[in-house]
This record gives sequence, structure tokens and C-alpha cells, in this order.
Amino acid sequence: AQKVTQAQTEISVVEKEDVTLDCVYETRDTTYYLFWYKQPPSGELVFLIRRNSFDEQNEISGRYSWNFQKSTSSFNFTITASQVVDSAVYFCALKLAGAGSYQLTFGKGTKLSVIP
Amino acid sequence: GAGVSQSPSNKVTEKGKDVELRCDPISGHTALYWYRQSLGQGLEFLIYFQGNSAPDKSGLPSDRFSAERTGGSVSTLTIQRTQQEDSAVYLCASSTHGGANEQFFGPGTRLTVL
Repeated sequence: AQKVTQAQTEISVVEKEDVTLDCVYETRDTTYYLFWYKQPPSGELVFLIRRNSFDEQNEISGRYSWNFQKSTSSFNFTITASQVVDSAVYFCALKLAGAGSYQLTFGKGTKLSVIP
Repeated sequence: GAGVSQSPSNKVTEKGKDVELRCDPISGHTALYWYRQSLGQGLEFLIYFQGNSAPDKSGLPSDRFSAERTGGSVSTLTIQRTQQEDSAVYLCASSTHGGANEQFFGPGTRLTVL
């Protein structure tokens, strides 16, 4: 069975600081997808990114960047120059690519508080 | 375009009563998912529909839970004889198909069982 671990339950940073959210996953499958979702106080999960297991190229989108390392089974998320609007719960998730694999397996989430 | 919508946004019920939660997926999305989010268990998969195919019910926690999807679009999650441990936020998501595509989530229904 697969598992996603987000060891950081809560993080607080001061606005403009950089912050990295950790995600470690476990699966025996060789082909899978990794996701990050943001859940602001309003409650709706917002898709941020999807990565394929065969593509370890890091990705940057504005202030967001993701570091995928298969060797350590990690898919970490960094927010540069954090802003108050970044305050939310962030979830890392894993989805297998095999036939019959539909569900996302989520980590417990990391609550990020950005203090002005 | 419109996102995934869910109703009601909040539902308070008494233990033992039945409840129905509704999900309206994004137009054109053939895959629909139900998840449950609770403090103790995090986000848990419940059930998956792909078009008109038989659903994957592997995540349903008990036979009190059932779901249907009419006409390959709107879905209803029914919980019979509700228990206090059913209190949670029930999230619906949809995607263009059941493969690698990202799932888009609705705002959820917060269920409180007294």
C-alpha cells in the first residue's frame, strides 16, 4: 500500500521569508503521479501541481518551486518570499498510474501560517 | 467555467437519521470522486465513478454508505443511520477522466451528527 508523509504539522513564518514544505512518499510501483494541493481557510482544495514519476525535473511557477527526488522519495514544495495569502493547509498526494488506480492518497497536511 | 458544486454546504442531523449529499461535477468531466476529510483521519477516498461504469466502492467505510451517479453527471452520497463518527467534511472532485489528470474539488459539505 502507498503512503504519503508530511512530517511538519504546522509551520509559522514571517512574511517574506522562504519556507519549504516536506513530503515523503512510499510506493512499490514504478509509475505514479505526485500532487500538491492548497486548502485555504475557505476550505476548497486548490490544485497546484502534478509531477510524473519519470520526470524528475524541478519546476518553478512564480514564487512556488518543487523539488522531486526519486532517490529519497521526496517531493518538497518551496514558497519564496511568503505572503499572508499563502496561509493555508497544504497537502501532498500520490496517485498510482496502473489500471484500476483512481484515488489520491493524501498526506495529513501541513498548516502554514504567514505572519505579517 | 463553473467548478464542482456541492450541496448543502452544511448539514446538521441527529444520530440515526439518513442524509443525502449532492455533487455536481464540472461539465464534461467523466470521472467523479468522493472523499471524506476528518480531523483524525485526514483525507480519505470513498468512491469513484467513471462515466456509466460500475463504481469503485473500495473506500466506503461501511454498508451504511452508498452513492449513485445519474446520467454520468450529478452524484448523490447517502449515509444511512448516521453515527457521530460520520461527522466530517465530504468532498467531491471531478476530472476529465480517471487517469493522471488532476482532480478538481468542490467546496465540500460539512456534516455534523449530533
